[in-house]
Amino acid sequence: DVKVTQSSRYLVKRTGEKVFLECVQDMDHENMFWYRQDPGLGLRLIYFSYDVKMKEKGDIPEGYSVSREKKERFSLILESASTNQTSMYLCASSSKQLAGQETQYFGPGTRLLVL
Amino acid sequence: QQQVKQSPQSLIVQKGGISIINCAYENTAFDYFPWYQQFPGKGPALLIAIRPDVSEKKEGRFTISFNKSAKQFSLHIMDSQPGDSATYFCAASIEGYGGSQGNLIFGKGTKLSVKP
Repeated sequence: DVKVTQSSRYLVKRTGEKVFLECVQDMDHENMFWYRQDPGLGLRLIYFSYDVKMKEKGDIPEGYSVSREKKERFSLILESASTNQTSMYLCASSSKQLAGQETQYFGPGTRLLVL
Repeated sequence: QQQVKQSPQSLIVQKGGISIINCAYENTAFDYFPWYQQFPGKGPALLIAIRPDVSEKKEGRFTISFNKSAKQFSLHIMDSQPGDSATYFCAASIEGYGGSQGNLIFGKGTKLSVKP
């Protein structure tokens, strides 16, 4: 079974702190994604990566950055956390074999509260 | 043109009833339409998917109906059970070879509650 793990299930941070969210997948997937999920807004793509050291902006990249130094690991960084970044963050991965039609496998999510 | 519009936002159905969730899209280049199911405290997981060369796909109690001319597709859950209570997301994408063109575009989700 594909497993996508996220470093924390719950996180509480102060405004202005630098926050690291880690995601690891064990299926040798090329593609990795970071979404945030908010009530009524669905899943919004923050950043994605199709290869090691490669990254592309999604729909809402402002205030975020990412790092992909190893194929299995994709990190989301909040350089200076703000209260409007309080949200559920979901990581996903997929195989490149059927680009555009591949199944995305999601982690359990990290619920971040910024005070 | 990249949006996928999903309705309703929430749905309450009695046990044994039929749950219907609808999605509409504008971009005629979309050629893959999956539905994801998310239980509380979990990430979304693929439930069922369809390509536009067929008008219907059935897997157990779950059916996708696809209307290419109307640019609409829907999820039907027959004999709905309390265990089906979850949030459902429709999505669409364009077959490609990497890059943003192949990314899934998600609807905003429907929270389904099935009452016993």
